Amino acid sequence: AQSVTQLDSQVPVFEEAPVELRCNYSSSVSVYLFWYVQYPNQGLQLLLKYLSGSTLVKGINGFEAEFNKSQTSFHLRKPSVHISDTAEYFCALQNYGGATNKLIFGTGTLLAVQP
Amino acid sequence: DSGVTQTPKHLITATGQRVTLRCSPRSGDLSVYWYQQSLDQGLQFLIQYYNGEERAKGNILERFSAQQFPDLHSELNLSSLELGDSALYFCASSVGAVNQPQHFGDGTRLSIL
Repeated sequence: AQSVTQLDSQVPVFEEAPVELRCNYSSSVSVYLFWYVQYPNQGLQLLLKYLSGSTLVKGINGFEAEFNKSQTSFHLRKPSVHISDTAEYFCALQNYGGATNKLIFGTGTLLAVQP
Repeated sequence: DSGVTQTPKHLITATGQRVTLRCSPRSGDLSVYWYQQSLDQGLQFLIQYYNGEERAKGNILERFSAQQFPDLHSELNLSSLELGDSALYFCASSVGAVNQPQHFGDGTRLSIL
Protein backbone atom coordinates (compact mmCIF):
# COMPACT_ATOMS: atom_id res chain seq x y z
CA ALA A 1 0.00 0.00 0.00
CA GLN A 2 1.15 3.51 -0.69
CA SER A 3 1.39 6.16 1.97
CA VAL A 4 2.74 9.61 2.76
CA THR A 5 4.07 10.52 6.19
CA GLN A 6 4.44 14.03 7.51
CA LEU A 7 5.82 13.50 10.97
CA ASP A 8 5.55 17.12 12.10
CA SER A 9 1.98 18.22 12.68
CA GLN A 10 3.12 21.74 13.51
CA VAL A 11 6.33 23.67 12.88
CA PRO A 12 6.74 27.01 14.67
CA VAL A 13 9.39 29.31 13.23
CA PHE A 14 10.36 32.95 13.52
CA GLU A 15 10.04 35.28 10.58
CA GLU A 16 13.09 35.37 8.27
CA ALA A 17 14.35 32.05 9.63
CA PRO A 18 14.82 29.01 7.36
CA VAL A 19 12.36 26.14 7.52
CA GLU A 20 12.18 22.52 6.43
CA LEU A 21 8.94 20.54 6.33
CA ARG A 22 9.53 16.82 6.20
CA CYS A 23 7.79 14.33 3.95
CA ASN A 24 8.49 10.62 3.54
CA TYR A 25 6.63 8.28 1.26
CA SER A 26 6.17 4.58 0.76
CA SER A 27 5.46 3.02 -2.63
CA SER A 28 6.46 -0.09 -4.54
CA VAL A 29 6.09 1.74 -7.86
CA SER A 30 7.43 4.99 -9.25
CA VAL A 31 5.59 8.06 -8.14
CA TYR A 32 5.13 11.74 -8.77
CA LEU A 33 5.39 13.93 -5.70
CA PHE A 34 3.68 17.21 -4.87
CA TRP A 35 3.49 19.86 -2.20
CA TYR A 36 0.25 21.76 -1.79
CA VAL A 37 -0.46 24.72 0.50
CA GLN A 38 -3.80 25.49 2.11
CA TYR A 39 -4.34 28.99 3.46
CA PRO A 40 -7.17 29.47 5.98
CA ASN A 41 -10.61 29.04 4.41
CA GLN A 42 -9.14 28.38 1.00
CA GLY A 43 -8.56 25.43 -1.28
CA LEU A 44 -5.31 23.65 -2.02
CA GLN A 45 -2.76 25.47 -4.13
CA LEU A 46 0.01 23.60 -5.92
CA LEU A 47 3.41 24.75 -4.61
CA LEU A 48 5.65 22.47 -6.62
CA LYS A 49 5.88 19.06 -8.21
CA TYR A 50 8.48 16.42 -8.92
CA LEU A 51 7.78 14.43 -12.07
CA SER A 52 11.25 13.44 -13.28
CA GLY A 53 14.68 14.89 -13.99
CA SER A 54 16.47 17.14 -11.54
CA THR A 55 15.88 16.10 -7.97
CA LEU A 56 15.78 19.71 -6.79
CA VAL A 57 12.55 21.37 -7.79
CA LYS A 58 11.63 24.98 -7.32
CA GLY A 59 8.13 26.19 -6.74
CA ILE A 60 6.19 29.33 -6.08
CA ASN A 61 6.76 31.76 -3.22
CA GLY A 62 10.45 30.84 -2.88
CA PHE A 63 9.88 27.23 -1.84
CA GLU A 64 11.93 24.32 -3.10
CA ALA A 65 11.98 20.58 -2.45
CA GLU A 66 14.47 17.81 -2.96
CA PHE A 67 13.52 14.33 -4.07
CA ASN A 68 15.65 11.62 -2.47
CA LYS A 69 14.81 8.20 -3.82
CA SER A 70 17.11 6.24 -1.51
CA GLN A 71 15.55 7.86 1.56
CA THR A 72 12.08 8.02 0.01
CA SER A 73 11.82 11.63 1.04
CA PHE A 74 10.61 14.88 -0.49
CA HIS A 75 11.33 17.60 2.06
CA LEU A 76 10.15 21.15 1.49
CA ARG A 77 12.46 24.08 2.29
CA LYS A 78 12.48 27.84 2.30
CA PRO A 79 15.55 29.88 3.25
CA SER A 80 13.62 32.76 4.81
CA VAL A 81 9.95 32.63 5.76
CA HIS A 82 7.41 35.42 5.99
CA ILE A 83 4.36 35.85 8.14
CA SER A 84 2.28 35.27 5.01
CA ASP A 85 3.68 31.73 4.71
CA THR A 86 1.59 30.68 7.70
CA ALA A 87 -0.60 27.89 6.33
CA GLU A 88 -1.11 24.13 6.24
CA TYR A 89 1.24 22.28 3.90
CA PHE A 90 0.40 18.90 2.40
CA CYS A 91 2.72 16.45 0.73
CA ALA A 92 1.10 14.08 -1.78
CA LEU A 93 2.00 11.31 -4.16
CA GLN A 94 0.52 10.04 -7.37
CA ASN A 95 1.26 6.80 -9.22
CA TYR A 96 3.44 7.23 -12.24
CA GLY A 97 1.76 5.63 -15.21
CA GLY A 98 -1.06 4.26 -13.11
CA ALA A 99 -4.63 3.82 -14.18
CA THR A 100 -5.76 6.69 -12.02
CA ASN A 101 -4.56 10.16 -11.21
CA LYS A 102 -5.66 10.10 -7.59
CA LEU A 103 -3.54 11.85 -4.99
CA ILE A 104 -2.59 10.26 -1.69
CA PHE A 105 -2.01 12.94 0.92
CA GLY A 106 -0.07 13.18 4.12
CA THR A 107 -1.73 14.48 7.25
CA GLY A 108 -0.39 17.98 6.76
CA THR A 109 2.03 20.26 8.61
CA LEU A 110 0.94 23.58 10.01
CA LEU A 111 3.67 26.15 9.46
CA ALA A 112 3.25 28.86 12.10
CA VAL A 113 5.45 31.86 11.41
CA GLN A 114 5.92 34.18 14.37
CA PRO A 115 7.16 37.78 14.26
CA ASP B 1 -7.82 31.60 -8.66
CA SER B 2 -7.53 27.96 -9.74
CA GLY B 3 -10.40 28.16 -12.20
CA VAL B 4 -12.27 25.36 -10.41
CA THR B 5 -15.63 26.54 -9.06
CA GLN B 6 -17.49 24.84 -6.25
CA THR B 7 -20.96 25.67 -4.98
CA PRO B 8 -22.23 26.20 -2.40
CA LYS B 9 -19.36 27.37 -0.17
CA HIS B 10 -21.20 26.38 2.98
CA LEU B 11 -24.01 23.95 3.63
CA ILE B 12 -25.75 23.31 6.93
CA THR B 13 -28.25 20.52 7.20
CA ALA B 14 -29.54 17.84 9.54
CA THR B 15 -28.94 14.14 9.93
CA GLY B 16 -30.81 11.96 7.50
CA GLN B 17 -30.98 14.63 4.82
CA ARG B 18 -29.58 14.62 1.28
CA VAL B 19 -27.41 17.29 -0.33
CA THR B 20 -25.81 17.93 -3.71
CA LEU B 21 -22.43 19.58 -4.14
CA ARG B 22 -21.53 21.05 -7.49
CA CYS B 23 -18.21 21.51 -9.26
CA SER B 24 -17.25 23.21 -12.49
CA PRO B 25 -13.75 22.25 -13.67
CA ARG B 26 -11.20 24.54 -15.24
CA SER B 27 -11.84 25.29 -18.87
CA GLY B 28 -10.38 22.48 -20.96
CA ASP B 29 -10.06 19.99 -18.12
CA LEU B 30 -11.75 16.66 -18.74
CA SER B 31 -11.06 14.99 -15.41
CA VAL B 32 -12.80 15.79 -12.13
CA TYR B 33 -11.94 14.47 -8.68
CA TRP B 34 -13.68 14.64 -5.32
CA TYR B 35 -11.84 14.64 -2.02
CA GLN B 36 -13.06 14.78 1.57
CA GLN B 37 -11.10 16.62 4.25
CA SER B 38 -12.04 15.86 7.83
CA LEU B 39 -10.25 16.21 11.15
CA ASP B 40 -10.07 12.48 11.82
CA GLN B 41 -9.47 11.15 8.28
CA GLY B 42 -7.45 13.96 6.74
CA LEU B 43 -7.63 14.43 2.96
CA GLN B 44 -9.08 11.36 1.28
CA PHE B 45 -9.76 10.65 -2.38
CA LEU B 46 -13.38 9.77 -3.07
CA ILE B 47 -13.87 9.38 -6.80
CA GLN B 48 -12.58 10.44 -10.24
CA TYR B 49 -14.44 11.02 -13.48
CA TYR B 50 -12.93 11.47 -16.89
CA ASN B 51 -14.98 12.82 -19.77
CA GLY B 52 -18.21 11.64 -18.24
CA GLU B 53 -17.07 8.18 -17.20
CA GLU B 54 -16.10 6.95 -13.75
CA ARG B 55 -12.36 6.41 -13.72
CA ALA B 56 -11.44 5.45 -10.17
CA LYS B 57 -13.07 5.00 -6.81
CA GLY B 58 -11.54 5.60 -3.43
CA ASN B 59 -13.00 5.56 0.05
CA ILE B 60 -16.46 6.62 -1.02
CA LEU B 61 -19.39 5.46 1.06
CA GLU B 62 -22.33 3.73 -0.59
CA ARG B 63 -24.53 6.62 0.61
CA PHE B 64 -22.48 8.91 -1.62
CA SER B 65 -22.65 9.05 -5.40
CA ALA B 66 -21.30 11.29 -8.11
CA GLN B 67 -21.62 11.95 -11.79
CA GLN B 68 -20.05 14.07 -14.49
CA PHE B 69 -22.34 15.64 -17.03
CA PRO B 70 -21.80 16.24 -20.77
CA ASP B 71 -20.77 19.83 -20.07
CA LEU B 72 -18.11 18.31 -17.74
CA HIS B 73 -19.43 19.76 -14.51
CA SER B 74 -19.78 17.25 -11.71
CA GLU B 75 -22.08 16.72 -8.78
CA LEU B 76 -21.48 14.82 -5.56
CA ASN B 77 -24.63 13.55 -3.89
CA LEU B 78 -24.57 12.72 -0.21
CA SER B 79 -27.60 11.01 1.31
CA SER B 80 -28.77 9.75 4.71
CA LEU B 81 -26.33 12.18 6.21
CA GLU B 82 -24.66 11.40 9.51
CA LEU B 83 -22.80 13.66 11.92
CA GLY B 84 -19.53 12.11 10.77
CA ASP B 85 -20.10 13.37 7.23
CA SER B 86 -19.34 16.90 8.38
CA ALA B 87 -16.24 17.85 6.42
CA LEU B 88 -14.76 20.02 3.73
CA TYR B 89 -15.38 18.54 0.30
CA PHE B 90 -12.96 19.52 -2.44
CA CYS B 91 -13.27 19.19 -6.16
CA ALA B 92 -10.18 19.16 -8.36
CA SER B 93 -9.68 18.96 -12.09
CA SER B 94 -6.95 18.11 -14.57
CA VAL B 95 -6.57 18.01 -18.31
CA GLY B 96 -6.07 14.29 -18.65
CA ALA B 97 -6.89 11.18 -16.67
CA VAL B 98 -3.36 10.26 -15.58
CA ASN B 99 0.03 11.85 -14.94
CA GLN B 100 -1.45 15.31 -14.59
CA PRO B 101 -1.24 17.88 -11.79
CA GLN B 102 -4.60 18.65 -10.21
CA HIS B 103 -6.05 22.08 -9.51
CA PHE B 104 -8.37 22.44 -6.55
CA GLY B 105 -11.46 24.49 -5.87
CA ASP B 106 -12.06 26.28 -2.58
CA GLY B 107 -14.27 23.51 -1.25
CA THR B 108 -17.75 23.16 0.18
CA ARG B 109 -17.94 23.06 3.96
CA LEU B 110 -20.71 20.69 5.02
CA SER B 111 -21.97 20.88 8.58
CA ILE B 112 -24.42 18.30 9.87
CA LEU B 113 -26.42 19.31 12.92
